[in-house]
Amino acid sequence: GENVEQHPSTLSVQEGDSAVIKCTYSDSASNYFPWYKQELGKGPQLIIDIRSNVGEKKDQRIAVTLNKTAKHFSLHITETQPEDSAVYFCAANQAGTALIFGKGTTLSVSS
Amino acid sequence: NAGVTQTPKFQVLKTGQSMTLQCAQDMNHEYMSWYRQDPGMGLRLIHYSVGAGITDQGEVPNGYNVSRSTTEDFPLRLLSAAPSQTSVYFCASSSEVAALNEQFFGPGTRLTVL
Repeated sequence: GENVEQHPSTLSVQEGDSAVIKCTYSDSASNYFPWYKQELGKGPQLIIDIRSNVGEKKDQRIAVTLNKTAKHFSLHITETQPEDSAVYFCAANQAGTALIFGKGTTLSVSS
Repeated sequence: NAGVTQTPKFQVLKTGQSMTLQCAQDMNHEYMSWYRQDPGMGLRLIHYSVGAGITDQGEVPNGYNVSRSTTEDFPLRLLSAAPSQTSVYFCASSSEVAALNEQFFGPGTRLTVL
């Protein structure tokens, strides 16, 4: 089955800096790669996703890139703000019916 | 819309007890799933359902049962609770097969098994 590796597990940046989180996946058949943000005490919420027919997608300060050949995808957050502090999860689809998640990255943005 | 609701928010069980975690959604979503979240382990899929009457196993199904008699409800049953099942449980739903669509998560149930 699919295996998703996520790095780093923790990331600390200063407000205004950029943050990058990287994930690799194992199943070359995977074609959907979402990113979820989880704030303390809440359920995860989708922030951006990318499909395998696209190499990059941007939504304001966040962007995701996908390299199908290398089987990795990354989340980029620019001009970070304290409210970006949260746990971020990447995921990849498996066998068309399930999402397999990475272990998460705890992002801390200090002002 | 209330979205995805889960009850209870917190629960403490003794080893060997059984219980049902409730999950309901009012978005008429076909796809529903259960995850558990443990420190350093991320979200792991327990069971999922692609529609009423259809369920399947995820990554960590042992010790859990599910059924899907209606589109709205997807309860998770712990048959004989064990300390290893101490975790935070999230239910999620999606308008289509989750593998290609946004999943909406509930607020979670924090379960402690003593």
